[in-house]
Amino acid sequence: KAGVTQTPRYLIKTRGQQVTLSCSPISGHRSVSWYQQTPGQGLQFLFEYFSETQRNKGNFPGRFSGRQFSNSRSEMNVSTLELGDSALYLCASSLTGGGLGYTFGSGTRLTVV
Amino acid sequence: DQQVKQNSPSLSVQEGRISILNCDYTNSMFDYFLWYKKYPAEGPTFLISISSIKDKNEDGRFTVFLNKSAKHLSLHIVPSQPGDSAVYFCAASALVTGGGNKLTFGTGTQLKVEL
Repeated sequence: KAGVTQTPRYLIKTRGQQVTLSCSPISGHRSVSWYQQTPGQGLQFLFEYFSETQRNKGNFPGRFSGRQFSNSRSEMNVSTLELGDSALYLCASSLTGGGLGYTFGSGTRLTVV
Repeated sequence: DQQVKQNSPSLSVQEGRISILNCDYTNSMFDYFLWYKKYPAEGPTFLISISSIKDKNEDGRFTVFLNKSAKHLSLHIVPSQPGDSAVYFCAASALVTGGGNKLTFGTGTQLKVEL
């Protein structure tokens, strides 16, 4: 079966711009979670969507937002980009949400210049 | 507030020897612990997990030990192989009020297995 697909793989944006990242989960998975990975910080939880509803949220500013569509595909948006937003953004899908059964995508590498 | 800590950012081991990766946590509500392995330019892949009611789980060359009283877990890889060279993340799962579980990750340990 197809895995979790994230697009684009790489992105370069300028400070102040906004960006939208996309995640297509494994077929049948209803939960999509987003994580930010930066050197020395590990994977920081952004938010989780389940059946088109944001179910859980991490400690990120309101510039970070997301949504989930009826086919379970999810997008995350970052507005007013800052240099510190440069990171690898990972999404993970699972059948019912969180913890066990996570499958991660390969990530989108965002560079803000 | 780092609830899951991996205090060794890197570890170097010779091929064939044992690799021991450590992880400490602070939240007593975690009900599952997991280890993920990550290669550059790829997403993390699940390796092995352990329930909080167990103290050991084994899968081939990989064994995870949990010491609840010390809030400590470790991953043992025996024997270590060059293909094991990767970043290993410890993660802990807890039920959250919004429903479902949330994974909290450590900062990772870069394992290098040398010939």
